[in-house]
Amino acid sequence: DVKVTQSSRYLVKRTGEKVFLECVQDMDHENMFWYRQDPGLGLRLIYFSYDVKMKEKGDIPEGYSVSREKKERFSLILESASTNQTSMYLCASSIAGDTDNEQFFGPGTRLTVL
Amino acid sequence: QKEVEQNSGPLSVPEGAIASLNCTYSDRGSQSFFWYRQYSGKSPELIMFIYSNGDKEDGRFTAQLNKASQYVSLLIRDSQPSDSATYLCAVYPPNTGKLIFGQGTTLQVKP
Repeated sequence: DVKVTQSSRYLVKRTGEKVFLECVQDMDHENMFWYRQDPGLGLRLIYFSYDVKMKEKGDIPEGYSVSREKKERFSLILESASTNQTSMYLCASSIAGDTDNEQFFGPGTRLTVL
Repeated sequence: QKEVEQNSGPLSVPEGAIASLNCTYSDRGSQSFFWYRQYSGKSPELIMFIYSNGDKEDGRFTAQLNKASQYVSLLIRDSQPSDSATYLCAVYPPNTGKLIFGQGTTLQVKP
């Protein structure tokens, strides 16, 4: 079974803190994605990566950065957390291909910024 | 116009009925379509994908695609209370590398 894991299920941080969210997949997938999910707004793509050291901005990259130093690991960084970044963060991965591939999701990290 | 639109619901059906979930998309060139189910507090899981016009059946689930009308639907036959969840429609527009999700439809199946 494909397994996507995220470092924390729940996280509470203070405004201005630097926050790291880690995602690891064990199926040798090339593609990895970070989303946030908010009530009424659905899933919104923050960043994605097709390969090690490569990254692409999604629809809402402002206030976030990412790092992919190893194929299996994709990190989301909040340089200076703000209360409007309180959300559910979901990581996903998929195999490479011409876009038509299922994304497998991790369990999510519910981040609260106070 | 949103790229992928779903009625947020809630859609309420009695146990044993057919639940019909609908989704429209804006990019006519889109080639692949996915339905994910998300239970409260959990992450999305894939139920079905469909690439070709027509119907695709898997157990109690049927996905229907009509590219001319830019419409994809999910039918759940013999609905069970355990089907109560939010159903997310997702579409791959061409040459974007991104899966675009609708807001999801909340389904409630009442015993």
